[in-house]
Amino acid sequence: DGGITQSPKYLFRKEGQNVTLSCEQNLNHDAMYWYRQDPGQGLRLIYYSQIVNDFQKGDIAEGYSVSREKKESFPLTVTSAQKNPTAFYLCASSRTSGRALGTDTQYFGPGTRLTVL
Amino acid sequence: ELKVEQNPLFLSMQEGKNYTIYCNYSTTSDRLYWYRQDPGKSLESLFVLLSNGAVKQEGRLMASLDTKARLSTLHITAAVHDLSATYFCAVDPSNTDKLIFGTGTRLQVFP
Repeated sequence: DGGITQSPKYLFRKEGQNVTLSCEQNLNHDAMYWYRQDPGQGLRLIYYSQIVNDFQKGDIAEGYSVSREKKESFPLTVTSAQKNPTAFYLCASSRTSGRALGTDTQYFGPGTRLTVL
Repeated sequence: ELKVEQNPLFLSMQEGKNYTIYCNYSTTSDRLYWYRQDPGKSLESLFVLLSNGAVKQEGRLMASLDTKARLSTLHITAAVHDLSATYFCAVDPSNTDKLIFGTGTRLQVFP
């Protein structure tokens, strides 16, 4: 089955520790995204990538880093510089980037719930 | 500052009733998306609205887009308990697939 997988489902981080959240898709999508969701709130964009080996900051990139070495993978590292990382993290992908080829909705993974101890 | 506002933020409605959720946005965008999120779960795509006047329907849900008014509506017809969830709208103002999400409308349907 095609889809997006995220791991782990739950993650606990100690103060000062870096942690990496995995996101993999087998949909052959060009674009991938990372969002953060706080309780009772909407989604905020952390980073996005429209093509391999390229990515751009979203609205709340401070304290996070990403890489896009393969089309199907877009891992997110939450660094110790992120002072309030407890949240639900959602990865998404879409078939197109930009308008030229028409549009497509974003497809979301199941999410990783990160808690700081 | 770009804003995407939904109202109401919380909606409790009886089964069988009709209601409308509104999504207003503050900048030009001719693409609008509706998603559903069940508690503790991920987002599921409901509708993609691509042009002014677009209307799409799926089951008891119907979404419409008025780009001139910068308004989208999600109409619920004869609500059932299974529709209980949080509904988000999102716009793509720069046509780069960078979505800006609304705050969500939490819908509870009771008998």
